[in-house]
Amino acid sequence: DTGVSQDPRHKITKRGQNVTFRCDPISEHNRLYWYRQTLGQGPEFLTYFQNEAQLEKSRLLSDRFSAERPKGSFSTLEIQRTEQGDSAMYLCASSPRGLREQFFGPGTRLTVL
Amino acid sequence: QKEVEQNSGPLSVPEGAIASLNCTYSDRGSQSFFWYRQYSGKSPELIMSIYSNGDKEDGRFTAQLNKASQYVSLLIRDSQPSDSATYLCAVNGGSAGANSKLTFGKGITLSVRP
Repeated sequence: DTGVSQDPRHKITKRGQNVTFRCDPISEHNRLYWYRQTLGQGPEFLTYFQNEAQLEKSRLLSDRFSAERPKGSFSTLEIQRTEQGDSAMYLCASSPRGLREQFFGPGTRLTVL
Repeated sequence: QKEVEQNSGPLSVPEGAIASLNCTYSDRGSQSFFWYRQYSGKSPELIMSIYSNGDKEDGRFTAQLNKASQYVSLLIRDSQPSDSATYLCAVNGGSAGANSKLTFGKGITLSVRP
């Protein structure tokens, strides 16, 4: 399978715990995006990397959220001190050099109890 | 005003009919326009992209763009029950640049009746 992969696919955690998600983009895609989607809404942008550089971060993103892409390949998204409002589908997308299309992975569904 | 707005749904059409999905956007400098299909519980799947005014056809799908009216639409011909899904309109570019984030509408749910 050569698509975007995400791990885990589902995560249930208790309020106040930290969680970390991983995204592996399509091989040689230099741009990687994180989005969050709640029921009945379109995906909402969180952050964006070009290679290892984080170029944009949503102003809506609290400082409990952090993302890395240390070697310009896979990326991790960490949420510290989770809140019930963090419950959502977290989507990763990647895009190749020279093209504008973004291709989504299967997502990680987070439930905060 | 919402940045990307999709007309209210849900939309229900009989099998074989043409489904017309509409979207308006507020950033006049937007450069790229996309339609994604999302089945329940799944992630968005890219089905069409369009960058220039006019029509772009791919199989049963036609995307239409009118930058002057800030309007983009998706037509699905010969609708099939398997087309039943939520369709998301997404826009990027403008002041943020061509490789920037996508801004999505809320989506419209299409149901194709057998």
